[in-house]
Amino acid sequence: ETGVTQTPRHLVMGMTNKKSLKCEQHLGHNAMYWYKQSAKKPLELMFVYSLEERVENNSVPSRFSPECPNSSHLFLHLHTLQPEDSALYLCASSQGLAGDAPGELFFGEGSRLTVL
Amino acid sequence: GESVGLHLPTLSVQEGDNSIINCAYSNSASDYFIWYKQESGKGPQFIIDIRSNMDKRQGQRVTVLLNKTVKHLSLQIAATQPGDSAVYFCAENAYTGTASKLTFGTGTRLQVTL
Repeated sequence: ETGVTQTPRHLVMGMTNKKSLKCEQHLGHNAMYWYKQSAKKPLELMFVYSLEERVENNSVPSRFSPECPNSSHLFLHLHTLQPEDSALYLCASSQGLAGDAPGELFFGEGSRLTVL
Repeated sequence: GESVGLHLPTLSVQEGDNSIINCAYSNSASDYFIWYKQESGKGPQFIIDIRSNMDKRQGQRVTVLLNKTVKHLSLQIAATQPGDSAVYFCAENAYTGTASKLTFGTGTRLQVTL
């Protein structure tokens, strides 16, 4: 149990569907992240939120839309996805402040997305 | 451009032996590196980190070595156990002051044989 919870764990959707991934952290952290993990590829940073403001958007297609309503919750809204978007989507949080381990991210177990 | 890469995709080690997982990076300006472990069905888990002003850091059964001259990072696991079987990622961090921006390598799968 890392303190970061992602739902759903598995999602199958068609290319015309609209769905959302949810992430909740119980650690009191100030920064939250979305990463994409595809087979045989490095984890790709998608979005970074710090204190509920988006501070990083790594050239992600607009069919992925993040939302951070407060420091504990992060969503990834999905619409008109492509089969190549099938992957494991990982949410993470961190303290977001200079400290002993600024690179220590706490990851959730991920949402496995399959786009048909 | 920046890249963080791993030399070997799979490493097989006998239980009780020491494991060494290597990582090369290309951005000489990187000043902070991290190792993560990912077990099957789970998200990555922080293992240990090291700043560029250090060349060695030790944790519990793990040691990270940094060679800035050749831009090489390694993770040493002492007395490898079956529970160490996982994929290991190195990452470099571009810290913005409010959040971390990690660039991960491809990963090395560690298989522990009995």
